[in-house]
Amino acid sequence: AQKITQTQPGMFVQEKEAVTLDCTYDTSDQSYGLFWYKQPSSGEMIFLIYQGSYDEQNATEGRYSLNFQKARKSANLVISASQLGDSAMYFCAMRAPASGTYKYIFGTGTRLKVLA
Amino acid sequence: DTEVTQTPKHLVMGMTNKKSLKCEQHMGHRAMYWYKQKAKKPPELMFVYSYEKLSINESVPSRFSPECPNSSLLNLHLHALQPEDSALYLCASSQDEGGYTEAFFGQGTRLTVV
Repeated sequence: AQKITQTQPGMFVQEKEAVTLDCTYDTSDQSYGLFWYKQPSSGEMIFLIYQGSYDEQNATEGRYSLNFQKARKSANLVISASQLGDSAMYFCAMRAPASGTYKYIFGTGTRLKVLA
Repeated sequence: DTEVTQTPKHLVMGMTNKKSLKCEQHMGHRAMYWYKQKAKKPPELMFVYSYEKLSINESVPSRFSPECPNSSLLNLHLHALQPEDSALYLCASSQDEGGYTEAFFGQGTRLTVV
């Protein structure tokens, strides 16, 4: 069975500081994709960043980077220089199509609040 | 254009009503999804369409009926819903069902069943 675990229900960060949101995953598949999504109060799920299981380098997208530690099965999201607009719910997700599981499996989310 | 458009944004319906949620994408994606999200919970998969055919039904009650008229459109027909069906309904699409690419989500329809 595949599972995503986010152990931080809520996080606070000061504006302009960096913050790390934790994500661990469990899968027996060798090939999978890991994703982070941001969900503001408006409801839309906004794709942030993707890491493939065979990617040797950590993914980066602007202020977002993914700290991928395959042996530990962790895929933490790092947001640098936090902005007030970063306040939202953040979901880690996984997909492992090779196993026949085509759905995106989500963690329980971390609510981030950026303080001015 | 990486947009998935959902209509309506808000819907209030009675338990005897019939309504439909609509979802549209023009990215050429061949996989489309319906997710249900309750407050403070992660999205839960309901249905997956792949190349306009129903690929996954996560044991969703028959009062929810999906339809994929063409590769760009996805509907969710609602009939005889219960108050516990009130939730945010999210539509998503991805390049294809078997790939590792990200899914793009719409803004969702906030459904209230009274």
